[in-house]
Amino acid sequence: QQQVKQSPQSLIVQKGGISIINCAYENTAFDYFPWYQQFPGKGPALLIAIRPDVSEKKEGRFTISFNKSAKQFSLHIMDSQPGDSATYFCAAAVMYSGGGADGLTFGKGTHLIIQP
Amino acid sequence: DTEVTQTPKHLVMGMTNKKSLKCEQHMGHRAMYWYKQKAKKPPELMFVYSYEKLSINESVPSRFSPECPNSSLLNLHLHALQPEDSALYLCASSQGRQTYNSPLHFGNGTRLTVT
Repeated sequence: QQQVKQSPQSLIVQKGGISIINCAYENTAFDYFPWYQQFPGKGPALLIAIRPDVSEKKEGRFTISFNKSAKQFSLHIMDSQPGDSATYFCAAAVMYSGGGADGLTFGKGTHLIIQP
Repeated sequence: DTEVTQTPKHLVMGMTNKKSLKCEQHMGHRAMYWYKQKAKKPPELMFVYSYEKLSINESVPSRFSPECPNSSLLNLHLHALQPEDSALYLCASSQGRQTYNSPLHFGNGTRLTVT
């Protein structure tokens, strides 16, 4: 059973456009939602993360939108650039009452290509 | 460049070989992780060490044996692997458990091919 569903699997966007990647989760206990960016031959790197008591978080051209009632969250990349071409993974985890989470449950990933 | 260093970058081994993957971090992190990533798939958690003690083993076959000699080092000992074990093996670390202020930092991985 896949606990975090990510779509689309691949996405092509023109330079300057908006890239949108969506994720939906099933486990209502999830309360940590990071996004990771992975370039070919590299390990994933944290892009941005959101907590469920916040509906939107913005860092530069990257914005996470969170809809707790719908159990959905999405990544928007504004003014997409060729350097943004990478694989993006959403993830989720349950925070322990003492603070922090152990493993992450990843979505299947979105291969994003920004065409110049 | 990543602050989590993994060696070797590439490894080819036969099914009867014994080899080890190494991971090192000098960020003072006390949690270290091994993930396995197959091509075009997300990383899958294998092991978690917290304060040098194994805290999570995600039902990984015994042919994979982790070791945490100290807070900066993490090894993964490999023995009698199968071709389907070929993958990118990622090491990661975090200050303690992952939080918004203590996210996961990944290395660039070891690309393992089992022949």
